Amino acid sequence: ELKVEQNPLFLSMQEGKNYTIYCNYSTTSDRLYWYRQDPGKSLESLFVLLSNGVVKQEGRLMASLDTKARLSTLHITAAVHDLSATYFCAVDIWETSGSRLTFGEGTQLTVNP
Amino acid sequence: DGGITQSPKYLFRKEGQNVTLSCEQNLNHDAMYWYRQDPGQGLRLIYYSQIVNDFQKGDIAEGYSVSREKKESFPLTVTSAQKNPTAFYLCASSRGRDKVHEQYFGPGTRLTVT
Repeated sequence: ELKVEQNPLFLSMQEGKNYTIYCNYSTTSDRLYWYRQDPGKSLESLFVLLSNGVVKQEGRLMASLDTKARLSTLHITAAVHDLSATYFCAVDIWETSGSRLTFGEGTQLTVNP
Repeated sequence: DGGITQSPKYLFRKEGQNVTLSCEQNLNHDAMYWYRQDPGQGLRLIYYSQIVNDFQKGDIAEGYSVSREKKESFPLTVTSAQKNPTAFYLCASSRGRDKVHEQYFGPGTRLTVT
């Protein structure tokens, strides 16, 4: 059974600071996705990571994937209040019935002024 | 505009009643998914479907049923057998087999059963 673990689960940081969220998973996969969820809302896709060593950046967020270590990171640079949300990683695995995602528990990020 | 719609946004039911949540997509996606989210937790997969007239159980299928009669539609029925149905339900779709499996999510239905 695939396990996806994020840490930290709760992160409170000051504006302007940097931090990294980690996503570890337990079985072989080279497809990983990061999503953002605002309170009471649905999920918004942030990054699609499809190969070992890929690094993608969007604004103050940068995501990477190391398939050998089964680890993805989401790095936040110079945080601003608008980044406050819950961030989920999700790992894609093939089964005979098709593809399915397994989600981490989420990291609740609060950026304080 | 292409996208996924879920209705209703909020749903209230009495215990013992079945209830059906709607999910429609006009993205021409082959695959559709239903997830449940409880407060402060991640998403758990209920059912998924890769093609019309075929679907598979996810991790928490007990007490739920689905149908996939049309490519665009994947309704979820929460039956009276579901012990704790109050939750936020999210529907998603993706392009399907042999393609990038990025899932796009609908706005969700918040179900409260009393």
